[in-house]
Amino acid sequence: DTEVTQTPKHLVMGMTNKKSLKCEQHMGHRAMYWYKQKAKKPPELMFVYSYEKLSINESVPSRFSPECPNSSLLNLHLHALQPEDSALYLCASSQGGNKLAGGNEQFFGPGTRLTVL
Amino acid sequence: AQKITQTQPGMFVQEKEAVTLDCTYDTSDPSYGLFWYKQPSSGEMIFLIYQGSYDQQNATEGRYSLNFQKARKSANLVISASQLGDSAMYFCAMILRGSSNTGKLIFGQGTTLQVKP
Repeated sequence: DTEVTQTPKHLVMGMTNKKSLKCEQHMGHRAMYWYKQKAKKPPELMFVYSYEKLSINESVPSRFSPECPNSSLLNLHLHALQPEDSALYLCASSQGGNKLAGGNEQFFGPGTRLTVL
Repeated sequence: AQKITQTQPGMFVQEKEAVTLDCTYDTSDPSYGLFWYKQPSSGEMIFLIYQGSYDQQNATEGRYSLNFQKARKSANLVISASQLGDSAMYFCAMILRGSSNTGKLIFGQGTTLQVKP
């Protein structure tokens, strides 16, 4: 099973709302990622969790708050977002560990299309 | 500086023909991995193929092959016998050994491929 699931698929929220994006994988991967992607652009890394600990925060504004409750789940809590935060949010996972060999590729979920009004 | 360059913003190919998508990379690190991902209009990033910097042979996965020319720092994706379902955006990405345990991918700008019937 090489599936990463994300919910919801679409989300529309106002600037004063609080919402959460959810990501789940059952591949036994120990690294999980959040990316933000604007139309026709490459994904931009936001956060990396390695063995359930936050290892990378790419200077993301505090209105985005990640959480990794366990090795299979990754959440992204959203609060007081701006219209420019509207984008496709992708979750990914990989085996983790220090190796370059094949097998450490990242598997992506289908994404959540977020619109901030 | 580490960088991935995809010089073809958009390409067309006739169904059943082969097509090559260009990717060049820049790094002084001798240890790295190169990936190709496909992103259909639905949004999901689909892993296609991986090449490690020390791999002796070019990677192949079904209709996908990676033409790895280390001296030229190029990692072109070759799709044989194109199908209508191959129409998508394609991203080349690189990971460096130092960051392989945290999985920070460096993406190119992408190439949009359209397959004509």
